Amino acid sequence: QPVLTQSSSASASLGSSVKLTCTLSSGHSDYSIAWHRQQPGKAPRHLMKVESSGSYNKQSGVPDRFSGSSSGAARYLTISNLQSEDEADYYCETWDRKSLHVVFGGGTKLTVL
Amino acid sequence: QVQLVESGGGVVQPGTSLRLSCSASGFTFGYYAVHWVRQAPGKGLEWLGLASHDGTIQHYAISVRGRFTISRDNSKNTLYLRMDSLTYEDTAVYYCARYWDYVNDYWGQGTLVIVSS
Repeated sequence: QPVLTQSSSASASLGSSVKLTCTLSSGHSDYSIAWHRQQPGKAPRHLMKVESSGSYNKQSGVPDRFSGSSSGAARYLTISNLQSEDEADYYCETWDRKSLHVVFGGGTKLTVL
Repeated sequence: QVQLVESGGGVVQPGTSLRLSCSASGFTFGYYAVHWVRQAPGKGLEWLGLASHDGTIQHYAISVRGRFTISRDNSKNTLYLRMDSLTYEDTAVYYCARYWDYVNDYWGQGTLVIVSS
């Protein structure tokens, strides 16, 4: 089944931009993924789905500061004009077409400096 | 608006059973598959399993297969997770999530299960 790899941590300054990466394992580079944000002490919130083509579909209410893109097996989440509330854990998710099981990446802890 | 509310968590002893509920509102519950996901303290998200929209199909993570059972009652807009033979490693916040277009697009607020003697 697919494996999703994320960096454990990232940091960027208030008002700047950051690009988080989620990498699909070999043989799964055509999979779409979803990005979720989990603020401290809260439940995850779905942000967007990113296709292998690079197109993305945001959840209603997600600010324009958030965008998605793709390159090969990598799926990206770019956050512009970072705000303090963006300090959170970010998880990517996909599903295995054979087993129908859902897979999560290990998450990236984003610190806003 | 779409809302999912988990309940049934609490402190339980090892080896016992517990049933969690997930009450849905704001959408046609019977149209959607629904998943259970948990998060141990300080850890990442772990997928547990799903029930198809009509409840006829369930899939489980290998880690809980045979101990956890997912069911749903569409007449009550409710999803269930029965957990048997609980161990300390089952201590976590348990979330339900609606599944649409191969994505968990709405999540509940979670319910905390603590397994302790």
